[in-house]
Amino acid sequence: QVQLVESGGGVVQPGRSLRLSCAGSGFIFSGSAMHWVRQAPGKGLEWLAVISYDGSNRHYADSVKGRFTISRDNSKNTLYLQVSSLRREDAAVYYCARDPSSGFGEDYQFYMDVWGRGTTVTVSS
Amino acid sequence: QSALTQPPSASGSPGQSVTLSCTGTSSDVGGYDFVSWYQQYPAKAPKVLIYEVTKRPSGVPDRFSGSKSGNTASLTVSGLQAEDEADYYCSSYAGNNKLVFGGGTKLTVL
Repeated sequence: QVQLVESGGGVVQPGRSLRLSCAGSGFIFSGSAMHWVRQAPGKGLEWLAVISYDGSNRHYADSVKGRFTISRDNSKNTLYLQVSSLRREDAAVYYCARDPSSGFGEDYQFYMDVWGRGTTVTVSS
Repeated sequence: QSALTQPPSASGSPGQSVTLSCTGTSSDVGGYDFVSWYQQYPAKAPKVLIYEVTKRPSGVPDRFSGSKSGNTASLTVSGLQAEDEADYYCSSYAGNNKLVFGGGTKLTVL
């Protein structure tokens, strides 16, 4: 079945970096644009970034641009989010999600039809 | 890239209809037909209910419907059921390859 599984979360000190992973299965991962979305405890959803099917195009929310990096390795069917200079406000459940489009020619559908269960990042000294 | 505005809470009795609103600007909701709605149960991942304002993915009951007027999008839940008690989030394309979510509405079935 179509599945996304996030990993890499944990307890991290402020100022440190972390790489989150998202493994896709049950669909043609290399043909799908992918998103990262986070949800702070008790708060709403926040879109973070999108990457095209081949990784050639990436776009970020203004709030994380320059500090977060989205990437993918289609040979491993895996999406990544590098989070740098972690702040306490980065504590959240991080979800990866599939865009129904490939993102070819920057043509995204900008909704998410498949979601992972999320991985939790806690920022604490 | 400001969050869309959703009322924090809404409620209705079983069998009734309830409409949830999502207000943005001409730079997001009003400017594009890329509004989506998601349902989220506690400690679960969101699930898409509506995309492109009015379209329903296969498997989503037709009790859920979407619409838009100007800068405000709406999700109507008809024939309210106990299982509809959840958080609901709207999202909209906001130009420049960016997406914005609303703050969410907690729907209570009385």
